[in-house]
Amino acid sequence: EVQLVQSGVEVKKPGESLKISCKGSGYSFTNYWIGWVRQMPGKGLEWVGVIYPHDSDTTYSPSFQGQVTISADTSISTAYLQWSSLKASDTAMYYCARLDYSDSSGHLDYWGQGTLLTVSS
Amino acid sequence: QSVLTQPPSVSGAPGQRVTISCTGSSSNIGAGYDVHWYQQLPGTAPKLLIYGKNNRPSGVPDRFSGSKSGTSASLAITGLQAEDEADYYCQSYDSSLSASGVFGGGTKLTVL
Repeated sequence: EVQLVQSGVEVKKPGESLKISCKGSGYSFTNYWIGWVRQMPGKGLEWVGVIYPHDSDTTYSPSFQGQVTISADTSISTAYLQWSSLKASDTAMYYCARLDYSDSSGHLDYWGQGTLLTVSS
Repeated sequence: QSVLTQPPSVSGAPGQRVTISCTGSSSNIGAGYDVHWYQQLPGTAPKLLIYGKNNRPSGVPDRFSGSKSGTSASLAITGLQAEDEADYYCQSYDSSLSASGVFGGGTKLTVL
């Protein structure tokens, strides 16, 4: 059974750093891209970026380029999303999902449960 | 402002048919990229509903179907049920945005 399990709730202060995780199981972690999606409170889904764990090839949505860093550790089948200096506007739910590129645009077929991040002074 | 445009809300009575549109442009849907649909029930993670050329993951009822024409796509739900009340999102790929995936703004479906 394919599963993506994300790290728990985070409460941080502005300016702090953070790395959240997404552990894959039940499939070959290195053979599928992993995507990150942001959902701000009461708002829609936003594409953050994706990583191909096999070679760490990474692309970011223009809105998130330079704001976050996506990485992966294939030895523990885990992808990460990190911030070097959090802002209150980073407050959101963050989902990871497996990206299946069997079609022309790629679809997110399995999702993690989400990591809720609150940034407040 | 989302790259893909969806109506903020739609509604229908139980048993009826509703459609949700997703309008893009020549750099995404119009360029031939597939459109996928997700359902998000309140307080839960999104779930893949339709992918590719109208494919449904295992467990998704055939009451849900997708179509695409030109720069737009649609999700149709027939035999509306109370449990279908949720937010629905379309997703595709945009060649003008650093090779990035894009979502629609989401549509809230209310079952009357």
